[in-house]
Parts: sequence; C-alpha cells; structure tokens
Amino acid sequence: KNQVEQSPQSLIILEGKNCTLQCNYTVSPFSNLRWYKQDTGRGPVSLTIMTFSENTKSNGRYTATLDADTKQSSLHITASQLSDSASYICVVTRYSSASKIIFGSGTRLSIRP
Amino acid sequence: GAGVSQSPSNKVTEKGKDVELRCDPISGHTALYWYRQRLGQGLEFLIYFQGNSAPDKSGLPSDRFSAERTGESVSTLTIQRTQQEDSAVYLCASSLVDIGGLGNTEAFFGQGTRLTVV
Repeated sequence: KNQVEQSPQSLIILEGKNCTLQCNYTVSPFSNLRWYKQDTGRGPVSLTIMTFSENTKSNGRYTATLDADTKQSSLHITASQLSDSASYICVVTRYSSASKIIFGSGTRLSIRP
Repeated sequence: GAGVSQSPSNKVTEKGKDVELRCDPISGHTALYWYRQRLGQGLEFLIYFQGNSAPDKSGLPSDRFSAERTGESVSTLTIQRTQQEDSAVYLCASSLVDIGGLGNTEAFFGQGTRLTVV
C-alpha cells in the first residue's frame, strides 16, 4: 500500500534551536519527494523537491535529505525562527502513466520565544 | 488566473443542508485533488481526478460526498445533508501530470474553503 508517514506528529522547540522532521514512505514506484510548509489558515507551499538520484537539497535554513534505499527523508531546520511555526508536510509522487501525489499527515511545529 | 482558486472562502450552513464547493485549477493542470483538513489535523485525501480517467474516489468518507470535474477545468465538491462532523477546511490542489515519471511534479494549493456546519 502506498503510504507516507511522518514523525513526530507535533514538536515544540525554542527559537534559535535546530530540529529535524522525519518522513518514511512505502510509495512505489517512486518519482520524487517534496516537503511543503503550511502556515495556519493558508494552503501548503512547496519548500524542496528531490528525485531518486538526489540525497540532499537546501533552501535557506531548510535542508532536506533523501535515502531512496531505506525510503526515508528528513527536513532539518537550522536556527529556527518564530515564522517557522507551521505544519510541514511530506509529499511523495508515484511514478506511473498517471502520476499520483501522496501526502503525509504532517508535523505541526511550534517555535517558542 | 495564476493560481488555484477556490470559492467560497468561507461557508456557514445549517445541519442537513447541501453545500457545493468550487475549485478552479491552474490552466493546463490535468490532475486535481480534493483534501479535507479538520482543525489541528493533517490533510485527509478525498478524491483525485486525472484527465479523462475514472476518478479515484477512495477517500470520500460517505455517499453524502461527491465530486465532479468537466474535462480539465473546474471541479465541484458536493456534500449532501451536511453534518457537524463535516466542518473543516476543504483544500483543492492541481498539478501537471508528468507522464515521463521523473519530472518536477508540484501540487499547487488553493486557499481552501472553510466550512462550518451549525
């Protein structure tokens, strides 16, 4: 069954600290993996994308990693800011003649001053 | 328009009434998705349209929910005999379908329709 699971479900850290969010997937065949950020009351917005051959992708303070062998991805946030408070959603696209995008349920991150 | 447009942005309805939610995808996007997001929860898949293929309805929670899409344009999500448990934000997303399989498939989201059943 094609699934995307994220952990932790929620996380609270102090401003300035680092954190890492996890994503495990069973989607096959694999095409690409994206991390989305969803601010409260807004639709999700893409942060990074990685295809099968990519291990790491950075976007400012956000760094995503991908291990296609173990089917795991992580999103590392460095020097967190209050504006990082949001839900982070892992999304995997399945390779097929009609691509289908499978969403994780997200990690809710709260940054405390 | 440049992005995915959803209407209405907010809808308050009485229990038992029917509601219709609308999604205008980005022009040229053949794939369209509906998701539900309850307060403080993650995205819950409802239905997926891909071109003229039969839609994937596996996420619809009950037969009170239905959705239509004409070709590669507007989609409507209809909820009949609404219940309080239907209260949520309904998000629509669209994407290009990369039939090559290794491309840059990004789902673009609308702002959502906040449905409140009272």
